Amino acid sequence: SAVISQKPSRDICQRGTSLTIQCQVDSQVTMMFWYRQQPGQSLTLIATANQGSEATYESGFVIDKFPISRPNLTFSTLTVSNMSPEDSSIYLCSVAGGNQPQHFGDGTRLSIL
Amino acid sequence: AQSVTQLGSHVSVSEGALVLLRCNYSSSVPPYLFWYVQYPNQGLQLLLKYTTGATLVKGINGFEAEFKKSETSFHLTKPSAHMSDAAEYFCAVSVVSGGYNKLIFGAGTRLAVHP
Repeated sequence: SAVISQKPSRDICQRGTSLTIQCQVDSQVTMMFWYRQQPGQSLTLIATANQGSEATYESGFVIDKFPISRPNLTFSTLTVSNMSPEDSSIYLCSVAGGNQPQHFGDGTRLSIL
Repeated sequence: AQSVTQLGSHVSVSEGALVLLRCNYSSSVPPYLFWYVQYPNQGLQLLLKYTTGATLVKGINGFEAEFKKSETSFHLTKPSAHMSDAAEYFCAVSVVSGGYNKLIFGAGTRLAVHP
């Protein structure tokens, strides 16, 4: 399976600032996904990122708050904008190709003060 | 709409005892089902998957799950728990939306293993 690297692994940020999370894969993949896992909860899909097209956002998530880039088939970024304490979560990227199951990175643990 | 229900947010077993984590799904089409495990400070690791074919699916670390269509269930089992099995377990169903497969996760079950 693909090896997925997320950076940073964790961060503590001030409210009102923005943070960009990177997701790098060691092979070309069709689909990349971004999830949020709030403390003690399950995963919620933020958006799906396809190379060369706009990301597709799930209900409750908007591009102004979570802009996503997908410049090539091995890389994507998620920005968490104008952060508030409610944005404190684990953010995970995952990848999939065709009918293969999704594989996840180790996540970015984000705390907002 | 597809959904996943995991019965029991916390399960505690003794080392060496049977592990049973329950998952029920709702799907209007034949489902693809998955179990993932999340160890502390890590991402999700795929344990096993069911797509088609044999209904008893074997995964990593001695886990297995059985797809029962009549019961809309996909329970995860392991005959003998190890201390290292302590983690959060998520059941998920794959749905097709917008031309691609996305995952709907259950709420998760935290497994504790005590000596």
